[in-house]
Amino acid sequence: AQSVTQLDSQVPVFEEAPVELRCNYSSSVSVYLFWYVQYPNQGLQLLLKYLSGSTLVKGINGFEAEFNKSQTSFHLRKPSVHISDTAEYFCAVGVVGGSYIPTFGRGTSLIVHP
Amino acid sequence: DVKVTQSSRYLVKRTGEKVFLECVQDMDHENMFWYRQDPGLGLRLIYFSYDVKMKEKGDIPEGYSVSREKKERFSLILESASTNQTSMYLCASSLAGGPGDEQFFGPGTRLTVL
Repeated sequence: AQSVTQLDSQVPVFEEAPVELRCNYSSSVSVYLFWYVQYPNQGLQLLLKYLSGSTLVKGINGFEAEFNKSQTSFHLRKPSVHISDTAEYFCAVGVVGGSYIPTFGRGTSLIVHP
Repeated sequence: DVKVTQSSRYLVKRTGEKVFLECVQDMDHENMFWYRQDPGLGLRLIYFSYDVKMKEKGDIPEGYSVSREKKERFSLILESASTNQTSMYLCASSLAGGPGDEQFFGPGTRLTVL
């Protein structure tokens, strides 16, 4: 079975600084990878996803993530964050040829300070 | 614009009451899901449904049941609410395509059981 680990439960950062949110997965087969964002008092929405092809994936709001198969990682990055990026971020993995139910990480709370 | 709606944003109930949480999607999706979200625990799958009248248990089904009489509607039922069911409940839907499909989430229902 696959699993997802988000190493940081909380990441504080100052506005306009770069940020990286870490995600590692465990799976014996090929995977699909997702990052979702949850703004305060809202549901989750998709930021970006990796299905195949280029390992660098660009998403909405200036975020990008890089799939690293050897490191089994899919870290999310943004070069300059805004106050409005304050939210909970979830990494999720789906197994190629497997169930349509993704496995979610426990989330990372990004807190952007002015 | 695709949409998943949930009947209530906030709900307060008493211990022992029967509680209905309703979810409706307008995307003609086959799959629908109920999650609960608790701080530090991320999203935990309660039940899911891959077709009308079909349902499967997720990771934490105890104390819950579901109903899917129409494709667009998926209801979560707490037969006898307890204080440990105080949580945020998220509904989601996805196409029947497979593990690479994204999930679309509703805004959530924050349930408090007193």
